[in-house]
Amino acid sequence: LAKTTQPISMDSYEGQEVNITCSHNNIATNDYITWYQQFPSQGPRFIIQGYKTKVTNEVASLFIPADRKSSTLSLPRVSLSDTAVYYCLVGDAQAAGNKLTFGGGTRVLVKP
Amino acid sequence: NAGVTQTPKFQVLKTGQSMTLQCAQDMNHNSMYWYRQDPGMGLRLIYYSASEGTTDKGEVPNGYNVSRLNKREFSLRLESAAPSQTSVYFCASRPWTSGSTDTQYFGPGTRLTVL
Repeated sequence: LAKTTQPISMDSYEGQEVNITCSHNNIATNDYITWYQQFPSQGPRFIIQGYKTKVTNEVASLFIPADRKSSTLSLPRVSLSDTAVYYCLVGDAQAAGNKLTFGGGTRVLVKP
Repeated sequence: NAGVTQTPKFQVLKTGQSMTLQCAQDMNHNSMYWYRQDPGMGLRLIYYSASEGTTDKGEVPNGYNVSRLNKREFSLRLESAAPSQTSVYFCASRPWTSGSTDTQYFGPGTRLTVL
């Protein structure tokens, strides 16, 4: 399973855009990149998933360069409720087991 | 549609006691998973069941056993609890159909303390 590296923490202010970059140098051909969000005392929640280029949904955007060795999660115009831990995961999303390896995540603190 | 439910929400055990954590999903998902999360850490996979009738070890299976009772239910058993098993346990499920890319849905967690 590909190992991921992401910043331990980030601070931001309401209304700003938050970009979290994740490194995954040994990503495999079949691997997808998935981001989860976790609030205190809750289970992780899926945010976005992509394989290459750019993916956008109602919550976030995911930018993946051509070499796929890194990816950037972009949260537009954050609010206080976006304070959470964000996990970047890399794995074969089509595999039967789809074992996910969670790293330490990035703690995002949104300030007023 | 309750999603993924876990019982109990909290549990305190003494060293050596046994218990079973229950997990159920009502989304007709094929795959189910058990994770543990220690304070300030990411989740680690204990066991998973890719489909009904199969179970496989994850990253940290020692001290645990699982049962995929049916398509809906996946239980985690601690035969002889140890303080090192103090953690928050999350169950997750995933639709998984061949060729699709889908994601895991997590339950609210069980906070377990072993004294």
